[in-house]
Amino acid sequence: DQQVKQNSPSLSVQEGRISILNCDYTNSMFDYFLWYKKYPAEGPTFLISISSIKDKNEDGRFTVFLNKSAKHLSLHIVPSQPGDSAVYFCAASINNAGNMLTFGGGTRLMVKP
Amino acid sequence: GAVVSQHPSWVICKSGTSVKIECRSLDFQATTMFWYRQFPKQSLMLMATSNEGSKATYEQGVEKDKFLINHASLTLSTLTVTSAHPEDSSFYICSASPPNNQPQHFGDGTRLSIL
Repeated sequence: DQQVKQNSPSLSVQEGRISILNCDYTNSMFDYFLWYKKYPAEGPTFLISISSIKDKNEDGRFTVFLNKSAKHLSLHIVPSQPGDSAVYFCAASINNAGNMLTFGGGTRLMVKP
Repeated sequence: GAVVSQHPSWVICKSGTSVKIECRSLDFQATTMFWYRQFPKQSLMLMATSNEGSKATYEQGVEKDKFLINHASLTLSTLTVTSAHPEDSSFYICSASPPNNQPQHFGDGTRLSIL
């Protein structure tokens, strides 16, 4: 049973436009949510996180939104750049951002010049 | 920032060989490290939680005698794939959490190919 799901395996966006990556979860015990970016043959790189006491967190071009009632979070990248092309994973944990993570399946983002 | 180093980055070996992968936290102490496995085009699946000075905690379906984990110090955890077979070929990634509720930082992974 997948507790964290990313239903879009891929997303293509024009440079300069907004990229919106979505993630759904089923376990109501999750209270920390993180987004990681991954290039082939490399480990994931932490991007941004949000705790369940907030509904929005912003860091430069990256904003994460959390809708607890819908058990849904999204990552907005604006403006998108070709260097943003990678696989993005959302992940969730309980009690602590450093605890065991449950990952979604990933979404491959392609930003076209 | 927090850096996690993983070595080797790529291993190719014959079936039956045991392979050791090292994971080091370079600029912080990590009482807990995590080992993940990723199959092509799939997500990262947690294999085990490595605890310094004690036994690792394995996820359901992961053979502890097959995947030996040792966390002998606060900066080093090792994963040994014993008597590896072609089905063990995969991308193995470790992570560690800096203190004070900070997100996990990942190593660059080890691609293991068993012939």
